[in-house]
Amino acid sequence: GENVEQHPSTLSVQEGDSAVIKCTYSDSASNYFPWYKQELGKRPQLIIDIRSNVGEKKDQRIAVTLNKTAKHFSLHITETQPEDSAVYFCAGENDYKLSFGAGTTVTVRA
Amino acid sequence: EPEVTQTPSHQVTQMGQEVILRCVPISNHLYFYWYRQILGQKVEFLVSFYNNEISEKSEIFDDQFSVERPDGSNFTLKIRSTKLEDSAMYFCASSVMGQGNQPQHFGDGTRLSIL
Repeated sequence: GENVEQHPSTLSVQEGDSAVIKCTYSDSASNYFPWYKQELGKRPQLIIDIRSNVGEKKDQRIAVTLNKTAKHFSLHITETQPEDSAVYFCAGENDYKLSFGAGTTVTVRA
Repeated sequence: EPEVTQTPSHQVTQMGQEVILRCVPISNHLYFYWYRQILGQKVEFLVSFYNNEISEKSEIFDDQFSVERPDGSNFTLKIRSTKLEDSAMYFCASSVMGQGNQPQHFGDGTRLSIL
């Protein structure tokens, strides 16, 4: 089955700086890669996703890149704000299921 | 914006008892899922469901677990003979389609505590 690895596990950035989270996946059949933001005690909320036929996607301050050959994808948050503080999960979809990474706790320091 | 709703938000049950977690997926969605998240750990897939059948299930989803769509709106997860290690947050999700790269939308979860 799919195995998604995520790094780093924690990330502390100064407000206004950029944050980058990296994930790798094992199953070349995976073809859809969403990113979820989860605030304490809340549901995972989809923030951006990318499909395997696309190399990069951007939505305002958030961008995701995908390298299918290397089987890795990354989340980039620019101009970070305190409300970006949360746990971020990457995931890969294959066979009707999402396999999640272990999560990155992002703390934006004011 | 339509949301996946889950009830109850918190369920406390004695070990060995049966629990039923309930979910109302988004109305035009056809694929339904259950995931669980043990405190401080990653979200883990349990089962996917389409057209009144299980599409895929993980090794966690053994004979202790079952899912059902009892009517046109609800989707339930039943856990029989609960164990301490079943304590977790259980999330329901739904998507318009299954494999085909459609976003899965999650509910707020049910926190299950087994005593």
